[in-house]
Amino acid sequence: QQQVKQSPQSLIVQKGGISIINCAYENTAFDYFPWYQQFPGKGPALLIAIRPDVSEKKEGRFTISFNKSAKQFSLHIMDSQPGDSATYFCAAVNDYKLSFGAGTTVTVRA
Amino acid sequence: DADVTQTPRNRITKTGKRIMLECSQTKGHDRMYWYRQDPGLGLRLIYYSFDVKDINKGEISDGYSVSRQAQAKFSLSLESAIPNQTALYFCATSERSNQPQHFGDGTRLSIL
Repeated sequence: QQQVKQSPQSLIVQKGGISIINCAYENTAFDYFPWYQQFPGKGPALLIAIRPDVSEKKEGRFTISFNKSAKQFSLHIMDSQPGDSATYFCAAVNDYKLSFGAGTTVTVRA
Repeated sequence: DADVTQTPRNRITKTGKRIMLECSQTKGHDRMYWYRQDPGLGLRLIYYSFDVKDINKGEISDGYSVSRQAQAKFSLSLESAIPNQTALYFCATSERSNQPQHFGDGTRLSIL
């Protein structure tokens, strides 16, 4: 049973559009929420992360929104570019344990 | 050079064979992890090690074993491979808990 539920499974967006990926969790012991980006043939790479005392974090075109009371967090990719085409994983961390969502494949059409 | 190196990158083998996947890191991290990735399931933790003398089972350790030969080396073994162990396998490291994990580029393992 996955502790972090991620949606959608895949999405297609036009160049310049906004990609939104949502994640939800139940375990309130999670205290660190990273997002990973994975390209084919490569391992996941940390993209951006947030701790639950912050409601939003922005790094360049990537923004995490975090709603602690709803136990939900999301990744927004602004001005999506073809180079953003990849699989994105949300995750939640409790001590050493990283629980991953199932992943979202994002395709950006030029 | 990559910080986390996995060998081999690809392996095809037969049911019942013993297989070892190797991971080495140059990041100087004490904590190392093995995950498997299956479509639609994300990554699941197989084993983790906080230092050379501390090895622990993850959520899906059955059918796997590990060895931490040194701070920089962490190997995953399949003693008698079965087809449902066909997957992508990733090694990762971290400096401490609740810190980012850094992944290798994976081993694609196919068991016929």
